[in-house]
Amino acid sequence: DAGVIQSPRHEVTEMGQEVTLRCKPISGHDYLFWYRQTMMRGLELLIYFNNNVPIDDSGMPEDRFSAKMPNASFSTLKIQPSEPRDSAVYFCASSRAGTGANVLTFGAGSRLTVL
Amino acid sequence: KNEVEQSPQNLTAQEGEFITINCSYSVGISALHWLQQHPGGGIVSLFMLSSGKKKHGRLIATINIQEKHSSLHITASHPRDSAVYICAVDKGNSQLIWGAGTKLIIKP
Repeated sequence: DAGVIQSPRHEVTEMGQEVTLRCKPISGHDYLFWYRQTMMRGLELLIYFNNNVPIDDSGMPEDRFSAKMPNASFSTLKIQPSEPRDSAVYFCASSRAGTGANVLTFGAGSRLTVL
Repeated sequence: KNEVEQSPQNLTAQEGEFITINCSYSVGISALHWLQQHPGGGIVSLFMLSSGKKKHGRLIATINIQEKHSSLHITASHPRDSAVYICAVDKGNSQLIWGAGTKLIIKP
C-alpha cells in the first residue's frame, strides 16, 4: 500500500481564497482523521470520520472549515475564505479502528501558507 | 495542569547512550501512543500500548496503568534517532490528547 496520500504538499494562497486539501486513506482503514499542527498549539484534531460518516467535528475552528468524505478512499478539507491564521501543516491520518485499538498512519502533511 | 505531560522537553545525548523519555497522564485511558516526528515534519506511529511493554528494534515502550505513566526507551542511540517524540493518550473516544513532545538530539 502507498500509505496515506495527501495533496497538495505545499500551498501558498492569498487571504480570502478557497483552499481544498485532499486525502486518500489506506485501503481498509475505517477511520480517517484530520489534524492541524502549529508551533503555538501543537497537533489538534479537527474532525474524524468512521466509515465515511463524520463522528466528531468539535475541533473544526469555525464555519469557514468544512470536511467531507464522499467515499472510503477520499476526503477533503476545505477552508473558505482562508485567513493568515489558518497557516499550518494539515495532516490526514487513518487507522483500521479507532485510536483506542490501532495505531495511526499519517500522510506527509499539507503545508498551508495564507498571505 | 495538562492532562499529558512529557519530560524532558529537550534532550541532547551522545551516540550510543541509552535514552529514556517519560510520559505521565492524569485521565483514564484506553490506549497510549508514542509517535516520532522527523525534522522534515513526517509523523510515524511507533507504538500503541494499553498494558505492559512492547519492543521494536532498539525501541522499547512500557506503560504502568496504575501509576499513569509510560516510558519510551532507545538503546544504542544513533544520530538518525534525532526527532521529536510525542506521547498521546486515547480516553476511549478516538480523540487523542497530545503531549508537548520531547525534542531529542543525538550527537555523533
